[in-house]
Amino acid sequence: DQQVKQNSPSLSVQEGRISILNCDYTNSMFDYFLWYKKYPAEGPTFLISISSIKDKNEDGRFTVFLNKSAKHLSLHIVPSQPGDSAVYFCAANTGTASKLTFGTGTRLQVTL
Amino acid sequence: DARVTQTPRHKVTEMGQEVTMRCQPILGHNTVFWYRQTMMQGLELLAYFRNRAPLDDSGMPKDRFSAEMPDATLATLKIQPSEPRDSAVYFCASGTLITEAFFGQGTRLTVV
Repeated sequence: DQQVKQNSPSLSVQEGRISILNCDYTNSMFDYFLWYKKYPAEGPTFLISISSIKDKNEDGRFTVFLNKSAKHLSLHIVPSQPGDSAVYFCAANTGTASKLTFGTGTRLQVTL
Repeated sequence: DARVTQTPRHKVTEMGQEVTMRCQPILGHNTVFWYRQTMMQGLELLAYFRNRAPLDDSGMPKDRFSAEMPDATLATLKIQPSEPRDSAVYFCASGTLITEAFFGQGTRLTVV
């Protein structure tokens, strides 16, 4: 039972354009959502998060949008840079430091 | 530079052998997670601890896997006996009640 779903295994975007990564969830108890970035042979690193009381959180080039009614969140990266090429994991939990439930990841490739 | 330290980084073992993976969480973090990354399932939670007490190990095959925290600076994940299907990257992560989880670099396990 995949409670957090990332339906696009991969995404290719040109440098300078916007990257949009999507994530859906099924558990209505989730109230905190995170995005992690993972490079090969490294552990995932935290990127940005959003609480369910908000619908948008922005940090530099990264913005996360949350649509609670649709149980959907998205990560926007603008402008995309080659160094953004990585696997992006969406995750959710029911409060900080409770267990994180991850999606299967989306591999983003930013091309020149 | 606080980080989660995992050892070993790579392990190749024969089927039936015991495997022990170790994790040193970030000092002051009271929550420790063990995740496994596979191609099909993404990041699966195996177990997590708070203040050294196991909170959830429902993701772990109990007959062969065990997780412990002998003290606040060490978490272990043991597989006995190991099987080829256990081949994966195992991540340890730590956090607190007010932070996101920080991941180690992982242990890549190959069981032949």
